[in-house]
Amino acid sequence: DTAVSQTPKYLVTQMGNDKSIKCEQNLGHDTMYWYKQDSKKFLKIMFSYNNKELIINETVPNRFSPKSPDKAHLNLHINSLELGDSAVYFCASSQGQGEYGYTFGSGTRLTVV
Amino acid sequence: GNSVTQMEGPVTLSEEAFLTINCTYTATGYPSLFWYVQYPGEGLQLLLKATKADDKGSNKGFEATYRKETTSFHLEKGSVQVSDSAVYFCALRSNDYKLSFGAGTTVTVRA
Repeated sequence: DTAVSQTPKYLVTQMGNDKSIKCEQNLGHDTMYWYKQDSKKFLKIMFSYNNKELIINETVPNRFSPKSPDKAHLNLHINSLELGDSAVYFCASSQGQGEYGYTFGSGTRLTVV
Repeated sequence: GNSVTQMEGPVTLSEEAFLTINCTYTATGYPSLFWYVQYPGEGLQLLLKATKADDKGSNKGFEATYRKETTSFHLEKGSVQVSDSAVYFCALRSNDYKLSFGAGTTVTVRA
């Protein structure tokens, strides 16, 4: 059983389109995250939800909107995609504040053309 | 603010060589420290962790000791294999739900 699963694994789309990435965890964790990894492998947190409440909202364009229907799911919707949005997006989860670590999904490679 | 600095790569080694990747941190309070590994084309996997000063994390032959006096968490492995080729990330979890990562160090092990 995959602990943190993201779909799709690859996403190629044109500039200006709207797309969503879905994430689900079956670990019973109460906190979920979205990270962005750029072409130089640098990882930056974007959002975090704890029990469906937004607790971290980093400096991210308003075109990015997370949605957490329940504590096992955290989806990422992106409007009006731009070339600079091309990256790998990772979902992660933890119990509480993640003192003992986060579990990451396998990533979604988004390419905007 | 909290930050992690790790040695820049890339690092290229021969099989059975000794690997060290330096990691230092800046944080308020008492953070938890982690090493994550990313194999080519895959997500991040937790390699090891330490939650308090002087703790030693270990896994798959890798070790790192939480040194509060030098604010460091250097990763070591005594004898690397080709299968250890990956990107290694040092990370810090502070009291605000954030896991902050270093820039990553690419390690290539040649047979």
